[in-house]
Amino acid sequence: EAGVAQSPRYKIIEKRQSVAFWCNPISGHATLYWYQQILGQGPKLLIQFQNNGVVDDSQLPKDRFSAERLKGVDSTLKIQPAKLEDSAVYLCASSFSPGGYIPEAFFGQGTRLTVV
Amino acid sequence: AQSVTQLGSHVSVSEGALVLLRCNYSSSVPPYLFWYVQYPNQGLQLLLKYTSAATLVKGINGFEAEFKKSETSFHLTKPSAHMSDAAEYFCAVTMGPYGNNRLAFGKGNQVVVIP
Repeated sequence: EAGVAQSPRYKIIEKRQSVAFWCNPISGHATLYWYQQILGQGPKLLIQFQNNGVVDDSQLPKDRFSAERLKGVDSTLKIQPAKLEDSAVYLCASSFSPGGYIPEAFFGQGTRLTVV
Repeated sequence: AQSVTQLGSHVSVSEGALVLLRCNYSSSVPPYLFWYVQYPNQGLQLLLKYTSAATLVKGINGFEAEFKKSETSFHLTKPSAHMSDAAEYFCAVTMGPYGNNRLAFGKGNQVVVIP
């Protein structure tokens, strides 16, 4: 089975520029997560989708970050404008979560963003 | 909201020695717990998971963890460290469908294996 696909793997941009990341989850996985992982820290949940609806975006800086999951499959995460502190690895994960089943999240390789 | 605490960001262990990584959870009811491993420039890979079926859970690469409700802990162990175990390890917690499947991570432990 194909894993979670993310692109690009690496991105370098200047502050105040915009950037977008793409994620294709494992086929059939209803739940999709975007995490931000700053160097030396654990992943921090930015946004969680169930199909194409948002379940949790409480830690998403909505003044500059946005995400969508059209048709409940692929997802994009956008930053506009970027700040230096946005330098991090952005991880996408997905899980198959029917009722009563404890989900196991599968992760992509991540996108390493450097803002200069 | 549920959370996990991992103390000590860096852990050094001699090759062949016991690996012990500590994880304590905070939750009003017993949660579901995971250990993930991350190798350099890679995503996170599941090592093992606790889903209430058994308190002692065996995972991949010789790792195991024991759920102790009285101590609110889920510590990860491996009897004999190998050089290939050098990586970052994360404990994670979810309440499953009762918590919208939200998955929260600890800060991680960077394991260094000394030859």
